[in-house]
Amino acid sequence: NAGVMQNPRHLVRRRGQEARLRCSPMKGHSHVYWYRQLPEEGLKFMVYLQKENIIDESGMPKERFSAEFPKEGPSILRIQQVVRGDSAAYFCASSPPGGGHGDEQFFGPGTRLTVL
Amino acid sequence: GQQLNQSPQSMFIQEGEDVSMNCTSSSIFNTWLWYKQDPGEGPVLLIALYKAGELTSNGRLTAQFGITRKDSFLNISASIPSDVGIYFCAGSSGSARQLTFGSGTQLTVLP
Repeated sequence: NAGVMQNPRHLVRRRGQEARLRCSPMKGHSHVYWYRQLPEEGLKFMVYLQKENIIDESGMPKERFSAEFPKEGPSILRIQQVVRGDSAAYFCASSPPGGGHGDEQFFGPGTRLTVL
Repeated sequence: GQQLNQSPQSMFIQEGEDVSMNCTSSSIFNTWLWYKQDPGEGPVLLIALYKAGELTSNGRLTAQFGITRKDSFLNISASIPSDVGIYFCAGSSGSARQLTFGSGTQLTVLP
C-alpha cells in the first residue's frame, strides 16, 4: 500500500523558469494539501484540494502560484517565474474522505526546490 | 492567523532518559497531531488526538490533548538513538482542515 508519492524529489530552476511539482495521494484518499517548509521552520499551509476543486487556497501566494487536482492523474503545484525566495521544501499530504479521522494527514517525502 | 508555540526548541538527552515537549495556542483546536520528521524526509504521523483531555499512547510515546483545547504535550519514554529527529505538533480547527504547525523540537539522543 504505497504512501503519498511526490516527484521530483529535487528540482533546480533558474530565476524566471517554471516549476511543476507532482503529488499522488494515498490510495483511497480524495483530499490533497500542499505545504511549504523553509529551513529550520515548521510547515506552512498553502492549499487544500479535492478532485477538480480548490477548497481552500488561503495560504497560497496571490501571484505565480497555482494548484490543481484533476479528475485523472496527480495533483500539480505550479510556480511560474520562480524567484530565489521560492527555494524551499514543498510537501504534499493526503487524507481520507470526511468523518472523524479526516483530519489525519499523511505526508509525502517532499520536493526540494532550489532556485539559482 | 493561528499560531502554535512549541517548546523546547531543542533538547539534548542521554539514551534511556524520558523527554517531554509541548505546544500551546491562543486559539482552540479540535484535533492535535504529533509528527516526527527525519532529515530530507516528510513528517510521519505519530499520534492523533481528538477529544479534550484525551491521553493516547503509541509504544513509548504518550500524548495528551489539553482540557482547554489550547495545548498538547508529547512524552517519549526510555529514549533510543532512533528517536533523533524533529518533532512537530500540529492543530486543526475541524472544518478548516488545514493544519497549523509548531516550529518543531529538535531532539538529540546522546549514547
